[in-house]
Amino acid sequence: KQEVTQIPAALSVPEGENLVLNCSFTDSAIYNLQWFRQDPGKGLTSLLLIQSSQREQTSGRLNASLDKSSGRSTLYIAASQPGDSATYLCAVDFKLSFGAGTTVTVRA
Amino acid sequence: EAGVTQSPTHLIKTRGQQVTLRCSPISGHTSVYWYQQALGLGLQFLLWYDEGEERNRGNFPPRFSGRQFPNYSSELNVNALELEDSALYLCASSFWDQPQHFGDGTRLSIL
Repeated sequence: KQEVTQIPAALSVPEGENLVLNCSFTDSAIYNLQWFRQDPGKGLTSLLLIQSSQREQTSGRLNASLDKSSGRSTLYIAASQPGDSATYLCAVDFKLSFGAGTTVTVRA
Repeated sequence: EAGVTQSPTHLIKTRGQQVTLRCSPISGHTSVYWYQQALGLGLQFLLWYDEGEERNRGNFPPRFSGRQFPNYSSELNVNALELEDSALYLCASSFWDQPQHFGDGTRLSIL
C-alpha cells in the first residue's frame, strides 16, 4: 500500500522568502504525482502534475521536482506572497494517495 | 470552461438515512473520482469511474456506492448513514492521465 508523507506539517515564513515543501512516497512504481493547494473549507486546486518519466515541472513561481528512485518530490514556491497561504498536498497515481499536507502561512 | 460542479453544497441527515451526492465533470473528461475528507483523517480515495465503469474503490464498506452516467456525470450514494460519515465529499474529474480537477465538495453532516 502506498504511503505518502509530507514534511513539515506546518510552515510560517515572511513574505518574499522561498518555500520548500517535501513529499515522500514508499512505492516508487508510480504513474504520476500531482501537487494541489487547498484553502480552508474548499476543494483542491491543481498546481502541477509530473508524469513518472519527467524530472520536473514549472508553472510561474512554482517548480516541482520528482525523484522516483528515492521516492521524493519537492515543491518550490519562489518569492512567497500572503496569497500563497494554504495547505499544500501531494498525491500519487490515479486513485490519488494523499499526504496529510503542509499548511503554509506567509506573513506580510 | 466550467469546472467540476457538485450538488448539493451542504446536507444534514440523521443516522440510518440514505443520501445521494452529484457531480458533473469538466466537459471532455471521462473519469470521475470521489474522495472523503473527514476531520482529522485527511483525504481518502473512495471510488473511480471511467467510461461508465467502476475502475477501483477504496477501503470503504459496500454501503458506499455510485455510478457514472452516459454523459459522464456521477452520483455517490451512501446508505445507512453513520455519524463517522460526516465529512467533506470531493469529486474530481480528468481525462486519462491528465491532472485531476476538483469541485468544491459537498459537506455532509450526520446528526
